[in-house]
Amino acid sequence: DAGVIQSPRHEVTEMGQEVTLRCKPISGHDYLFWYRQTMMRGLELLIYFNNNVPIDDSGMPEDRFSAKMPNASFSTLKIQPSEPRDSAVYFCASSLQYQPQHFGDGTRLSIL
Amino acid sequence: KNEVEQSPQNLTAQEGEFITINCSYSVGISALHWLQQHPGGGIVSLFMLSSGKKKHGRLIATINIQEKHSSLHITASHPRDSAVYICAVRGNTDKLIFGTGTRLQVFP
Repeated sequence: DAGVIQSPRHEVTEMGQEVTLRCKPISGHDYLFWYRQTMMRGLELLIYFNNNVPIDDSGMPEDRFSAKMPNASFSTLKIQPSEPRDSAVYFCASSLQYQPQHFGDGTRLSIL
Repeated sequence: KNEVEQSPQNLTAQEGEFITINCSYSVGISALHWLQQHPGGGIVSLFMLSSGKKKHGRLIATINIQEKHSSLHITASHPRDSAVYICAVRGNTDKLIFGTGTRLQVFP
């Protein structure tokens, strides 16, 4: 089992640029979660999908953030335009219903 | 006030000591999770429990639903246990609500 795969591991970009984070969940898992982790706020849920359908996006900070899951094996989180306050570690996790979540290694994003 | 509170925020111990990390929550839950995050950043699920007690190696997790409280115990602690331990609860949706974490350092 390859686990949840996120890319890139690190991203450094300038303010105003578009950023795309990618996630491949564990095969067979029907839930996918996007989280953001900062020193100030800890882990926060941004959005989650069930069977590729967004269920709750109430944690998405603003319209600059968008997430898609075009199929069961791929999801993206996009920030456009990026701002320095978006700097954080972004985690993707997947699970079966009512089971523990499996986390990817995260993407460390720095917006200059 | 946060819905999930952990204590202590920071904890240092000598190798071999018995360690307890506490988690209190103020919402109704269907399950409580304990997660471990190592300095490299990866997050691993240690336990998911909704009642009673679970044990895995030197780790023990307990939960008291009536008191809305859970504890994570580490017996015979080792420097490799140094990590941030995060408590998270799931209510009646699939969302997790996270505590702010407990940073544990175990010295040889």
